[in-house]
Amino acid sequence: DAGVIQSPRHEVTEMGQEVTLRCKPISGHDYLFWYRQTMMRGLELLIYFNNNVPIDDSGMPEDRFSAKMPNASFSTLKIQPSEPRDSAVYFCASSLTGFGYTFGSGTRLTVV
Amino acid sequence: DAKTTQPNSMESNEEEPVHLPCNHSTISGTDYIHWYRQLPSQGPEYVIHGLTSNVNNRMASLAIAEDRKSSTLILHRATLRDAAVYYCILRDNDMRFGAGTRLTVKP
Repeated sequence: DAGVIQSPRHEVTEMGQEVTLRCKPISGHDYLFWYRQTMMRGLELLIYFNNNVPIDDSGMPEDRFSAKMPNASFSTLKIQPSEPRDSAVYFCASSLTGFGYTFGSGTRLTVV
Repeated sequence: DAKTTQPNSMESNEEEPVHLPCNHSTISGTDYIHWYRQLPSQGPEYVIHGLTSNVNNRMASLAIAEDRKSSTLILHRATLRDAAVYYCILRDNDMRFGAGTRLTVKP
């Protein structure tokens, strides 16, 4: 099993540009989560899906952030337009109901 | 808001047992107690979880108080590779992380 796969591993972009982060969950998992981690705020839950349906997006910072899960094997987190304060490590995690989460290696986003 | 309370940091000596405490006084009957750890420059890693009974796996043991308002993660013999931030989390549907406990292991 390859685990949760995130791409890219690193992204450097200029302020105002669109950024798309990608996640492939573990096959068969029915939950998918997007987290953001910064030194100041720690690990924040942004949004999670159950069976491809968004359940709770109350952690999404503002309308510049959007997430989709078009099928069980793929999810995206998009930031448009990006701002320097969006710089963080973004983690995707997946799980099966009743079991622990498996996290990806994260995408380190730097907005200059 | 995080539903758990953990000490900010703890220290241990290598090859000694470590007991990491967690308070979750507002736990509900359906909340599972999960523990994760995050090594430097890595994503969080699942350690163990339980509901009411104590649990053991190859990584650690989880001791859950009878009233479920607290739990303890036990590393039986700490190694330098166990130095990490340890998170205790309650899971019903989602999981929101607190600040965790930073464990330092001294050789």
